[in-house]
Amino acid sequence: QSALTQPRSVSGSPGQSVTISCTGSSSDVGYYNYVSWYQQHPGKAPKLLIYDVTQRPSGVPERFSGSKSGSTASLTISGIQPEDEADYYCCSYAGMYTSYVFGTGTEVTV
Amino acid sequence: QVRLVQSGAELKKPGASVKVSCKASGYNFVTYDVHWVRQGPGQGLEWMGWINPNRGNTGYAQNFQARLTLTRDTSTGTLYMELSGLTSEDTAVYYCARFVGPAAADYWGQGTLVSVSS
Repeated sequence: QSALTQPRSVSGSPGQSVTISCTGSSSDVGYYNYVSWYQQHPGKAPKLLIYDVTQRPSGVPERFSGSKSGSTASLTISGIQPEDEADYYCCSYAGMYTSYVFGTGTEVTV
Repeated sequence: QVRLVQSGAELKKPGASVKVSCKASGYNFVTYDVHWVRQGPGQGLEWMGWINPNRGNTGYAQNFQARLTLTRDTSTGTLYMELSGLTSEDTAVYYCARFVGPAAADYWGQGTLVSVSS
């Protein structure tokens, strides 16, 4: 199972909106509505931002939102803040035998 | 509060095995599956496998099928990840994570660095 494809890096100025794409296939992102997004600061464990494509856990700021079209999921940070500078990973369920696959990761610079 | 506390860093020689523990607390241990994810130096996240702490059944990524074993001890609320046949490419930080739904890992351990070197 190949990793989901993400842009290597994206950048934005404080207050701007940035969007990170996550492209998979009809076997994972395109088939299941089980896509999640994680934020990871250097030396830290990943933190769950979005699950089930669009759901935000309690405590996650509203500026983080998720969506999906076909085999591509997206994470949008609306009004990016300096503390949002981190690496971001998508993850998708890929069925009973493959189970899960992560994205290649995106470095976000503010 | 929910906590997943992992064992400390390990240094292993090529060909050896490593066993990392992950002690869960703050919730009903048998309620949620626990998955293991690793991250090589400067690399992305790689999903390894999962275990259901209640029944003990497991699932492994194809890349690890032959040399990964996930177990649990329900009496202590501890999960274990054992990886055999280590090579330098297994040098990574290994995480355990509680999954509350498909692909939804809401709590993570602090990570355990496993270094493989002769």
